[in-house]
Amino acid sequence: EADIYQTPRYLVIGTGKKITLECSQTMGHDKMYWYQQDPGMELHLIHYSYGVNSTEKGDLSSESTVSRIRTEHFPLTLESARPSHTSQYLCASSELGRNTIYFGEGSWLTVV
Amino acid sequence: GENVEQHPSTLSVQEGDSAVIKCTYSDSASNYFPWYKQELGKRPQLIIDIRSNVGEKKDQRIAVTLNKTAKHFSLHITETQPEDSAVYFCAASHSQGNLIFGKGTKLSVKP
Repeated sequence: EADIYQTPRYLVIGTGKKITLECSQTMGHDKMYWYQQDPGMELHLIHYSYGVNSTEKGDLSSESTVSRIRTEHFPLTLESARPSHTSQYLCASSELGRNTIYFGEGSWLTVV
Repeated sequence: GENVEQHPSTLSVQEGDSAVIKCTYSDSASNYFPWYKQELGKRPQLIIDIRSNVGEKKDQRIAVTLNKTAKHFSLHITETQPEDSAVYFCAASHSQGNLIFGKGTKLSVKP
């Protein structure tokens, strides 16, 4: 089982609140990703990072932002949550140059 | 860029039957093709993968085949069991790119 951890696992917040979803991995992987997924639906890449101080936007436009100050840590922040942000957010990681990615257990966000 | 099409979107089989899910890709430079299984409420997990220098790979009841000329690859599950019920995602990438996922196939295995 891959060692990639996400917190919180479940969160209900009010519209306009700021939220940070945490993701940490202990595998020493350089590359990390954030995917957005509605239940059982497509996986949408919203952000990725090649390593420290690297952040890139994914295929799906997102109002969230990410940072990569440490190799093992890749938090995602929503400055002002809206009901349209309600979804599951999956963090993932891989070795640089190797395309097998490992997913965290996901953070289920509900914005009311 | 790469585009991955996956069919069917839903598949229902009787326990013990075989299930086949097919994917096509557009970028001839793609050389890595994994399959992920996502059970209800859980994370996607890698179940099998294949690289472009191999035509077929098996792991117990699951197998993946790759046709580079036609740019398609398939997942085969034999002797299906209720615990095989899940959403399956195919993906493709080349060595420097991100995985591009198909839209998923919901497999239901009826006892």
